[in-house]
Amino acid sequence: EAQVTQNPRYLITVTGKKLTVTCSQNMNHEYMSWYRQDPGLGLRQIYYSMNVEVTDKGDVPEGYKVSRKEKRNFPLILESPSPNQTSLYFCATRLAGSFSSYNEQFFGPGTRLTVL
Amino acid sequence: QKEVEQDPGPLSVPEGAIVSLNCTYSNSAFQYFMWYRQYSRKGPELLMYTYSSGNKEDGRFTAQVDKSSKYISLFIRDSQPSDSATYLCAMKNDYKLSFGAGTTVTVRA
Repeated sequence: EAQVTQNPRYLITVTGKKLTVTCSQNMNHEYMSWYRQDPGLGLRQIYYSMNVEVTDKGDVPEGYKVSRKEKRNFPLILESPSPNQTSLYFCATRLAGSFSSYNEQFFGPGTRLTVL
Repeated sequence: QKEVEQDPGPLSVPEGAIVSLNCTYSNSAFQYFMWYRQYSRKGPELLMYTYSSGNKEDGRFTAQVDKSSKYISLFIRDSQPSDSATYLCAMKNDYKLSFGAGTTVTVRA
């Protein structure tokens, strides 16, 4: 079954305690990205990766890091979480496609993070 | 000003009603226009997508794009309680997707 998995699904932590949210996909997609979803603001892209070892900033990258060492995994790292990073996080994947094409983006189930 | 504007609602309709959702946008370079549906505690899933202006129908769902007005719509006919969800519009420019804030819809039985 084609799927995108995220772990953990729920996390409560304290300010400054480093954490990692994992994302894994079994669809052999080149493109992976991270979004955060906040009420009234919708989905905002944090980072994306076009392929292994290729990552770039999205719209709201401050306070986050990513790495893409393997095609199937794209972890999101919060080195020093702060309360304003309390949010619902989604990993998403799709085929890379091209400038003028569209490929469906598949989302993971989400990770609800609370930073106290 | 946001690139994509969407009224967050919430919207509550009786079963069988027509649900009308819309988004406006400011970037004329958008080429692909999508609607995603998100059930509570789930990730968004693609509902429909269209390329350029015009209408597209899929069962009870119709997507409309008016590029001249920078306006897209989604209509749900004969709405069912199972249609209760948040609907997000999205638009593609180059390699990037831009999302609206999402409209929460409740269909009352």
